[in-house]
Amino acid sequence: DIQMTQSPSSLSASVGDRVTITCRASQSISSYLNWYQQKPGKAPKLLIYAASSLQSGVPSRFSGSGSGTDFTLTISSLQPEDFATYYCQQSYSNPRTFGQGTKLEIK
Amino acid sequence: EVQLVESGGGLVQPGGSLRLSCAASGFTFSSYWMSWVRQAPGKGLEWVANIKQDGSEKYYVDSVKGRFTISRDNAKNSLYLQMNSLRAEDTAVYYCARVKLSYDILTGYISYFDYWGQGTLVTVSS
Repeated sequence: DIQMTQSPSSLSASVGDRVTITCRASQSISSYLNWYQQKPGKAPKLLIYAASSLQSGVPSRFSGSGSGTDFTLTISSLQPEDFATYYCQQSYSNPRTFGQGTKLEIK
Repeated sequence: EVQLVESGGGLVQPGGSLRLSCAASGFTFSSYWMSWVRQAPGKGLEWVANIKQDGSEKYYVDSVKGRFTISRDNAKNSLYLQMNSLRAEDTAVYYCARVKLSYDILTGYISYFDYWGQGTLVTVSS
């Protein structure tokens, strides 16, 4: 199975900050990497697919990059509604696996 | 508008069974792979199973193989998860998710979960 490791596990930041979350795969997954946002008590929401493609309706302050084993999710200027938990997920092979999550909190 | 609505969750004793359902609307259900993803209380996301459009291919995470069965009824626009021999560690919110396939000229087809239901809670406890 492909292991996905996110860092950091938690992060405190302020509105307006630029934030970067990292996701590392245990083997190369090309660009088969997706990012989701989850707020408490809610279902996950797709942000980025294929490492860098922005899902329709997602604000342009979200961006993704990377290929192979190392990926990043960047929020260019944090907004109050961005405080949530973020997950990466590989779709290179079964079983599909997620990172452990990064909880983004208000400083 | 795409909608996925799960039902069937509840409290069940260890060793018991439960059948989850997911009612889909707002899209051509028979054209999409579908998945179940779960989340234990306070924990991260775990993919559980996938099923192809016509039900001819199914894949499972190792921890549920032989105990869970994913199925679908395209005439009823519904996805199911039959869960047998339930264990305490199966306690989770279970989400139904649509699998979208996009083609990229460099990487080929990539899949992702583009729509999710609200989830249904399964609690396995005596």
